[in-house]
Amino acid sequence: NAGVTQTPKFQVLKTGQSMTLQCAQDMNHEYMSWYRQDPGMGLRLIHYSVGAGITDQGEVPNGYNVSRSTTEDFPLRLLSAAPSQTSVYFCASSYSGDTANSPLHFGNGTRLTVT
Amino acid sequence: AQSVTQPDIHITVSEGASLELRCNYSYGATPYLFWYVQSPGQGLQLLLKYFSGDTLVQGIKGFEAEFKRSQSSFNLRKPSVHWSDAAEYFCAVGTGRRALTFGSGTRLQVQP
Repeated sequence: NAGVTQTPKFQVLKTGQSMTLQCAQDMNHEYMSWYRQDPGMGLRLIHYSVGAGITDQGEVPNGYNVSRSTTEDFPLRLLSAAPSQTSVYFCASSYSGDTANSPLHFGNGTRLTVT
Repeated sequence: AQSVTQPDIHITVSEGASLELRCNYSYGATPYLFWYVQSPGQGLQLLLKYFSGDTLVQGIKGFEAEFKRSQSSFNLRKPSVHWSDAAEYFCAVGTGRRALTFGSGTRLQVQP
């Protein structure tokens, strides 16, 4: 049982390049989400999904796309990277979207630098 | 909308000393409150949570937190800090919906 797996761990992009951050979980969790972590700002929600085929925007969705074709995978796409997207990205999952009864499980993060 | 404030960006304590990390929240109803810990290069790990009932909750690694509704606070405490507790600590509030709102974090440094 690996939990939440994120790849890659580190990535450097040039402005305008595109890439996909991968996230997979093997806990059969319905709910998956992406957060970005910036110094002094805690974690902010980018997008989330409550099940395969269902996604929704979080607090800071601009510049990011997601899809959820399977329960296990929830990739985050940057279509045209910008320096403002330099951050550490965390994927998190839980059994359900009810934060009262289903705590989040986090991956180890992807550190992205956009030059 | 809910919000979380962690007023201390950085705290240094000596090993063996007691610890209290502050957290204040803003939310119109009874919140669900969490403390997470993040070690360097790692994701966040849940320390403890409060949903209802006893306002003093126990967590892993010897941590506890007390919910005080009158002060809108959920401070994290540990009676005796170990060097391995050096990490960043995040308070978060949930509303039973889809996401948590996190505070900006408190970085704990432990001196030998």
